Amino acid sequence: DAGVTQSPTHLIKTRGQQVTLRCSPKSGHDTVSWYQQALGQGPQFIFQYYEEEERQRGNFPDRFSGHQFPNYSSELNVNALLLGDSALYLCASSPGWGEDYGYTFGSGTRLTVV
Amino acid sequence: GNSVTQMEGPVTLSEEAFLTINCTYTATGYPSLFWYVQYPGEGLQLLLKATKADDKGSNKGFEATYRKETTSFHLEKGSVQVSDSAVYFCALSIDTSGGSYIPTFGRGTSLIVHP
Repeated sequence: DAGVTQSPTHLIKTRGQQVTLRCSPKSGHDTVSWYQQALGQGPQFIFQYYEEEERQRGNFPDRFSGHQFPNYSSELNVNALLLGDSALYLCASSPGWGEDYGYTFGSGTRLTVV
Repeated sequence: GNSVTQMEGPVTLSEEAFLTINCTYTATGYPSLFWYVQYPGEGLQLLLKATKADDKGSNKGFEATYRKETTSFHLEKGSVQVSDSAVYFCALSIDTSGGSYIPTFGRGTSLIVHP
């Protein structure tokens, strides 16, 4: 049973560019969350999707946007990249809404902005 | 707001030593508490959890007890192995609104175990 899969694993972009990261949740999971993990820090919550809608959002600017598809997979888009956006981006999925089911994390996408 | 504070690392131990990683939390309400582990180059894996006061979570020899009176959830293991070397994250989750449980993480504590 595949867990959470993310692509690509590594990415290098130039300041000002745009990037799209992709996530497929664990089989049976329908809720997807995105986190940013800077080097040496804990993951910071970006936003959460359920039923193709953004349900919760952390303290991130509008340059960060997302989408969830009918098959529950998700994308994270970041526009006008800054050097400070360099981080590991983690996708996490859970099997539902309204209960604290716990999260399964992917291995992440390492984004480097130069 | 909700927050988690972990002891700073790295924690360096010899194989078979006793491990304690301290974690305290601040939350409005009654959170669930978690420990996640991150091995080099990988994502986070749930290690153990506790959902109410005095609950003890345990897995792979690790354990932690939810202490409401001291707002703590310290991670312990009686005898560490080299393979336990990783970064450990304490986290809490609580119903933010309408059924959304969003984990809040600490900064992580690096554990290095020498043979």
